[in-house]
This record gives sequence, structure tokens and C-alpha cells, in this order.
Amino acid sequence: GAVVSQHPSWVICKSGTSVKIECRSLDFQATTMFWYRQFPKQSLMLMATSNEGSKATYEQGVEKDKFLINHASLTLSTLTVTSAHPEDSSFYICSAGTGNYGYTFGSGTRLTVV
Amino acid sequence: AQKITQTQPGMFVQEKEAVTLDCTYDTSDQSYGLFWYKQPSSGEMIFLIYQGSYDEQNATEGRYSLNFQKARKSANLVISASQLGDSAMYFCAMREGSNDYKLSFGAGTTVTVRA
Repeated sequence: GAVVSQHPSWVICKSGTSVKIECRSLDFQATTMFWYRQFPKQSLMLMATSNEGSKATYEQGVEKDKFLINHASLTLSTLTVTSAHPEDSSFYICSAGTGNYGYTFGSGTRLTVV
Repeated sequence: AQKITQTQPGMFVQEKEAVTLDCTYDTSDQSYGLFWYKQPSSGEMIFLIYQGSYDEQNATEGRYSLNFQKARKSANLVISASQLGDSAMYFCAMREGSNDYKLSFGAGTTVTVRA
């Protein structure tokens, strides 16, 4: 089946630095990738939708300059958290559309900013 | 307005018993899809079951079944013969064409299976 590989699984970074999270579709071409953020015991909140070769579409309230999304190829989408602060600590997860039956999710990245 | 409503924040169920997780949805689309996902403490999202709005039969996948009541806009998940490994958070989600096929998630229900 369709697999999305997400790296890193967890990362700790210092406040003010940037962190890049990668999602790769291993056995299919992901035209569209969705990026979510999830706080403990809460639901997944969609941050943005990325389409290969075009600019990402951000949800209302998401800072596009802080959360940079790049979808340069059909198999790779990246999320860069720039100038990270402790409040950016969260679980980030990507998913790719795989046709009528839906979506394949990456395994998620736990980001801790200290 | 909330597109997906899950009113049960947490539930306890005895091993080997069945449990029903409630989900109601709100959409004006005629064509939409409903999903249930399981999220264990590891964080991965595990697809459980899918119901299309035009599907006349309730979806079933092993121990999972979806009780789809279209007129009531309800899509409850039934887990039969609960196992300890079923302890996790469960999310109901909806895909609508009018929303660019993005998934809207409910707040989730935490299920704890007791031995």
C-alpha cells in the first residue's frame, strides 16, 4: 500500500533555530500533501495544503513565514519551522491523498523547542 | 460551525465487549466521505474504515463497523470484541468536495480497554 515516510520522528531544538521536517511518498506520487499540527490530547488541525510545483495554501491563522512548506517534487514535501519558539512545540504530521479511499499519513514528528 | 462532532471525550470498555463511538457531521455536499482513524500513543494515524455518502450498505472491516445513518448525519463506529490493543484515541473525519477534499477531524474519543 501507499507509504509516507516522515523524518525525523522527534527533534529537540533551541529557541530561535529552524527545523525541517520531511515527508516522502515511497511508492506513489503525492500531488497533494497536507500538514497538520496536534497538541496533546487534541485533534489534528490542518495547517496547510501543499501542491507539487506551486505555493502552499495556508489555513487561516497559520503564519506562512513561520511555517515554510516546499513541495518541489511529487515524492517530497517539507515543512520548515523557522525561528522556533517553545510555543511551537507540538506533534506535526503529514498526509498525502491516495485517491478515493483517502489518505496516507506519515508517522509524525514530535518537536520540542527549548 | 463544527463539521464533525464527537461528544465522548473518553470511554472505558471491558475486554471482549463491544463499544460504540459516536460521530455526527455537518455538510451540505451530496457527495462526501467519512473516515475513522485510530491513533495510539505512538502518534501514527491508522485508517480503520471508510463510508461514502452514496454507499447504501454500512461499511465493515473486521471487528470495525460503521453505523451510517445518513438522515441523522451520524456515522458511529462500532468496535466488537474489544482487545487491550484497542486502547487509543479515535478520530472521525470527513472529506468534502466543497472543502477541496481536505479532511475535517472531530475532537476525538479516547478509548481505554480494561482487562
